[in-house]
Amino acid sequence: EVQLVESGGALAQPGGSLRLSCAASGFTFNNYGMNWVRQAPGKGLEWVSGITGSGGATYYADFVKGRFTISRDNSKNTLYLQMNSLTDDDTATYYCAKDWLLDAVIYYFDRWGQGTPVTVSS
Amino acid sequence: DIQMTQSPSSLSASVGDRVTITCRASQVINSWVAWYQQKPGKAPKSLIYSTSTLEGGVPSRFSGSSSGTDFTLTINSLQAEDFATYYCQQYNIFPPTFGQGTKVEIK
Repeated sequence: EVQLVESGGALAQPGGSLRLSCAASGFTFNNYGMNWVRQAPGKGLEWVSGITGSGGATYYADFVKGRFTISRDNSKNTLYLQMNSLTDDDTATYYCAKDWLLDAVIYYFDRWGQGTPVTVSS
Repeated sequence: DIQMTQSPSSLSASVGDRVTITCRASQVINSWVAWYQQKPGKAPKSLIYSTSTLEGGVPSRFSGSSSGTDFTLTINSLQAEDFATYYCQQYNIFPPTFGQGTKVEIK
């Protein structure tokens, strides 16, 4: 059974940094692209970033480009999101989501973690 | 970015009703549209991909279809466990984008 368990969400100050993690199990992690999708309180879903199975290619939404960095450690079956220069608008629950297609990033998310909340406030 | 305009934003229905939710894409896209179900406080769950293909384990009362730039999720004979918020998503053109959601409530 696929399991995705996020951690690292916390209260951060504007301008601060956080690092989110997503521990994966139940599938061959390095064969699949992975993504981060966020949801602000009471709002809809918003794709943030994606990474190929090898980690060789990364993709970002314009609103996080230059501030967030996605990475993965395939030896640890773990996905990361380094978030810098945080603003109030980054307040959201962050979900890691497994891409559906083998050896590609196509942005259909067939499995989701339970999410980790990030609050940016002074 | 592709805008996915979802309607209605909310609806009230009774158990046993047939429910239809529509997403209109802002430009022509292929069949790369997915539907997700989200219950309060929970992660989204994938229901349908490629417009009409059900994920494993999803009941057959759920179906998806399309006509031009309109994509539709239909729930036949709504069940108590179907009361939730539903999102469409296009993954044809980067970046992937979601509709704003439709909350299905109990009448």
